[in-house]
Amino acid sequence: GIQVEQSPPDLILQEGANSTLRCNFSDSVNNLQWFHQNPWGQLINLFYIPSGTKQNGRLSATTVATERYSLLYISSSQTTDSGVYFCAVGYNTDKLIFGTGTRLQVFP
Amino acid sequence: EAQVTQNPRYLITVTGKKLTVTCSQNMNHEYMSWYRQDPGLGLRQIYYSMNVEVTDKGDVPEGYKVSRKEKRNFPLILESPSPNQTSLYFCASSSRGLSEKLFFGSGTQLSVL
Repeated sequence: GIQVEQSPPDLILQEGANSTLRCNFSDSVNNLQWFHQNPWGQLINLFYIPSGTKQNGRLSATTVATERYSLLYISSSQTTDSGVYFCAVGYNTDKLIFGTGTRLQVFP
Repeated sequence: EAQVTQNPRYLITVTGKKLTVTCSQNMNHEYMSWYRQDPGLGLRQIYYSMNVEVTDKGDVPEGYKVSRKEKRNFPLILESPSPNQTSLYFCASSSRGLSEKLFFGSGTQLSVL
């Protein structure tokens, strides 16, 4: 089956720093989404981005489907950005495969 | 407020005692799905449903049942729970399958003793 790898597995930042999270996938996909799981366990959808670039405030994402990767950019990080970031890819229309996540800790 | 509601939030049970975790969405979404989250294994799909009376297996369906009799509800049934089903469970929905954003419930932490 399709493999989804995220890097780095862990990231520690000071408030105000910028970061780039990467998601690589092993096969063609129909869609790709980024999620943030906050320290209380809640999963929030950040982007639906099968291709191209999107921005939402301090966050932006780029997916290059032909090269099988996606990037999530976090600028001017805040302590509330802490948590785990997952990418998930859809294939065969109805199934979603999650990566193992990047754990981000932002310190004041 | 648009939301996906799961109940209960926490559940402790014993091996073999049937249980149901409920999931309801108020967004008229067609697609609903269940995931389990385990340390080191990430989130894995259990079952999904494209619409009423249409369900299909995800990657880890063994030991689980689902039903989709109404559009808004998608309960997860464990007929005979076992300790290896101890996990954090999430329900999710989207308007049109995986071509749209997926919205998650708050999760159900299940412990099977």
